[in-house]
Amino acid sequence: DTAVSQTPKYLVTQMGNDKSIKCEQNLGHDTMYWYKQDSKKFLKIMFSYNNKELIINETVPNRFSPKSPDKAHLNLHINSLELGDSAVYFCASSPIPGVLAGGYTFGSGTRLTVV
Amino acid sequence: SQQGEEDPQALSIQEGENATMNCSYKTSINNLQWYRQNSGRGLVHLILIRSNEREKHSGRLRVTLDTSKKSSSLLITASRAADTASYFCATDGVQKLVFGQGTRLTINP
Repeated sequence: DTAVSQTPKYLVTQMGNDKSIKCEQNLGHDTMYWYKQDSKKFLKIMFSYNNKELIINETVPNRFSPKSPDKAHLNLHINSLELGDSAVYFCASSPIPGVLAGGYTFGSGTRLTVV
Repeated sequence: SQQGEEDPQALSIQEGENATMNCSYKTSINNLQWYRQNSGRGLVHLILIRSNEREKHSGRLRVTLDTSKKSSSLLITASRAADTASYFCATDGVQKLVFGQGTRLTINP
């Protein structure tokens, strides 16, 4: 069983469209994250939720809206997609917010290409 | 801005050789972690070193931390083709991990 699973793995869409990426974790963790990895491999946090509550929102355009229906799921909806949104989006989870000895568990990523 | 910066950005060595990657960071930390990312995959946690530790080992991995220089190094001994990946250091921000840009390691057979 995949610990953190994201769907879809690949997403190609036109500018201006709205799309969603889903993430689910079966680890029983309380905290989930969205990270964005750009073409230069920089990884930057976007959002973090702890037990369905938003705890981090890192200056992300409001076209990006995360939603956590329960602590096992964190979805990312993006409105009016722009070329600059093309990147790989990673979902991750941890038992509590912040850093623990075991680190974060990452999903395998969603490669978003906006054309 | 990124907290950590890895050096070198890319490293290519022969199988069996040792690989050393360095990470520098800017602010004080409680701990530092290293992650591996295989091509097209997510990041996998390798090892965590706390600010009061100077060295830590895990299998073929050896991590050092010098808080006075705000730097860490990751040594992979007796490299294997399967070690080909990108390696990232990450430091503890407020309730989050802050990543460097990574070192791309290629092990040649």
